[in-house]
Amino acid sequence: QVQLVQSGAEVKKPGSSVKVSCKASGGTFSSYAISWVRQAPGQGLEWMGGIIPIFGTANYAQKFQGRVTITADKSTSTAYMELSSLRSEDTAVYYCARANTMIVEKNWFDPWGQGTLVTVSS
Amino acid sequence: DIQMTQSPSSLSASVGDRVTITCRASQSISSYLNWYQQKPGKAPKLLIYAASSLQSGVPSRFSGSGSGTDFTLTISSLQPEDFATYYCQQSYSTPSTFGQGTRLEIK
Repeated sequence: QVQLVQSGAEVKKPGSSVKVSCKASGGTFSSYAISWVRQAPGQGLEWMGGIIPIFGTANYAQKFQGRVTITADKSTSTAYMELSSLRSEDTAVYYCARANTMIVEKNWFDPWGQGTLVTVSS
Repeated sequence: DIQMTQSPSSLSASVGDRVTITCRASQSISSYLNWYQQKPGKAPKLLIYAASSLQSGVPSRFSGSGSGTDFTLTISSLQPEDFATYYCQQSYSTPSTFGQGTRLEIK
């Protein structure tokens, strides 16, 4: 049974960057797409992008294009999401989630990581 | 982007009630529609995938139906642990998009 464990909470200054990790254990990592979803306080879920670890190819939502970089390290079964040029509106819980297939679409997400709170404040 | 619209946004119900939540896509998404349950401070949990398939370990009181643009999630007999927020998600095309959520509260 695969589990996804994310890195801890972060507090960042506006204009800086944050990198959140998502380590998989107990199952296959490389053969399934990993997506990143965020949730601002009291708000809904927003898909940011995904990666296919075995190929290293990432796909991003247009909204985050140019600011987000999703990578994966097959050797450590860890995916990363880096968001740059942070602003207060980026304050949110960031989740990683594993898809049931090798592609970034036409799938479903299970399991999810526990979430990482990123607070952007001066 | 495909817009997902859930209704209602909030719902009050009692234990034992039958509840239906609807989700409408702005264009056809075939059966690429998933449902998640989220409790405060927790990650979303997959309930239903591909519109009508029950995820392993999820109680059979949950069911999903629909295809194309209109979908429903039904809880046949509400239990105390079902009070939560529910989200639909389309995975037909990227960017994957979610409905705004339906908050299910105790009456």
